[in-house]
Amino acid sequence: DIVMTQGALPNPVPSGESASITCQSSKSLLHSNGKTYLNWYLQRPGQSPQLLIYWMSTRASGVSDRFSGSGSGTDFTLKISSVEAEDVGVYYCQQFLEYPLTFGSGTKLEIK
Amino acid sequence: QVTLKESGPGILQPSQTLSLTCTFSGFSLSTYGMGVGWIRQPSGKGLEWLANIWWDDDKYYNPSLKNRLTISKDTSNNQAFLKITNVDTADTATYYCARIASYYWYFDFWGPGTMVTVSS
Repeated sequence: DIVMTQGALPNPVPSGESASITCQSSKSLLHSNGKTYLNWYLQRPGQSPQLLIYWMSTRASGVSDRFSGSGSGTDFTLKISSVEAEDVGVYYCQQFLEYPLTFGSGTKLEIK
Repeated sequence: QVTLKESGPGILQPSQTLSLTCTFSGFSLSTYGMGVGWIRQPSGKGLEWLANIWWDDDKYYNPSLKNRLTISKDTSNNQAFLKITNVDTADTATYYCARIASYYWYFDFWGPGTMVTVSS
């Protein structure tokens, strides 16, 4: 199975500052078609997860441009520029390269 | 507008079979490339993928649950189902269903989840 390992944030993050969440996969998520099958989701308190980023760096429809994804085949970063109160929650990375699909353990973001 | 909603028994006893239903609208599981996945989350913990079913009835399961899972669909009624046999307290969780579109390979729409408690 592909293991997804997420880093922690130095919570709380001051409002207006940037925050970067890291995710590492135990196997390259780069497909032979050139796409990297790494997704990012945000789960706000009491809500279902919502898709933020797919293919490592493509923002999902309606997602603020304050969110950006980057990385290589195994090391990924979700950057939130100028964090706001609505960004509070747990962020998960997830690989869709192969079964079984796996998620990272989550990274909690708190705002000061 | 795509929506999904999960339903389940709420509470059941160890060794029983958990039956979950995902009722959706805004897409069809008979459309090429469409799929539905099941994901669960114990209270205060992370997400665990359980199973996917595709428009062509292809199915994939998390091997960590061995042979306890069965996923199925009813395309005429826009529903997907998940059964988990021989449940125990470790199966207590919120269960989500979510839409997948092949080519994109992500869970783009999620249901609100249904809480399931396994308790004697």
